[in-house]
Amino acid sequence: SAVISQKPSRDICQRGTSLTIQCQVDSQVTMMFWYRQQPGQSLTLIATANQGSEATYESGFVIDKFPISRPNLTFSTLTVSNMSPEDSSIYLCSVETSGATDTQYFGPGTRLTVL
Amino acid sequence: QKEVEQDPGPLSVPEGAIVSLNCTYSNSAFQYFMWYRQYSRKGPELLMYTYSSGNKEDGRFTAQVDKSSKYISLFIRDSQPSDSATYLCAMSGGFNNAGNMLTFGGGTRLMVKP
Repeated sequence: SAVISQKPSRDICQRGTSLTIQCQVDSQVTMMFWYRQQPGQSLTLIATANQGSEATYESGFVIDKFPISRPNLTFSTLTVSNMSPEDSSIYLCSVETSGATDTQYFGPGTRLTVL
Repeated sequence: QKEVEQDPGPLSVPEGAIVSLNCTYSNSAFQYFMWYRQYSRKGPELLMYTYSSGNKEDGRFTAQVDKSSKYISLFIRDSQPSDSATYLCAMSGGFNNAGNMLTFGGGTRLMVKP
């Protein structure tokens, strides 16, 4: 498994501003993912972030709205740009590990409220 | 129709009960099956991981996969109030160039009453 931290843990932002969420892992990983979880809903994948390449976005998510950086194998950021109340959600990063359990492990999430 | 269906609950049981949580799916390519537990205001935590059909037991938890019926289950024995959480099933077809992409169910909220 991996230990994943996210900053900030929560924030309240004004409409039209941007917020950058950081994800830090305690080991080097190739694949990192960003998800959104709206209240009472399951997880929706925003994008996949590989180190050294552009992020791959899922349908309905665009780079201008959710720019992602992946400068090294232990760190990634997701920016939520020009926010509106509809962006209020929990944003989660996850990492993919290999070994006995080839699956994803999640960070604690960032709870975002947009006023 | 969603690719993975999961009853949202809430499911309320008394302490000590046996809990059965289920998911059905439509994609026969899924081979890896996971259960995540998510406490309120926390990220999902991997609980069980199985490959292909069969059973896997870990303490009070048993995961079952029936690929012929496209049906997976998580059983919790001697349920405790600390088991109160949302349980998410997830599955994948394995690794490809995009990694091990997971498809999640909607989650079942479980409440275990003392």
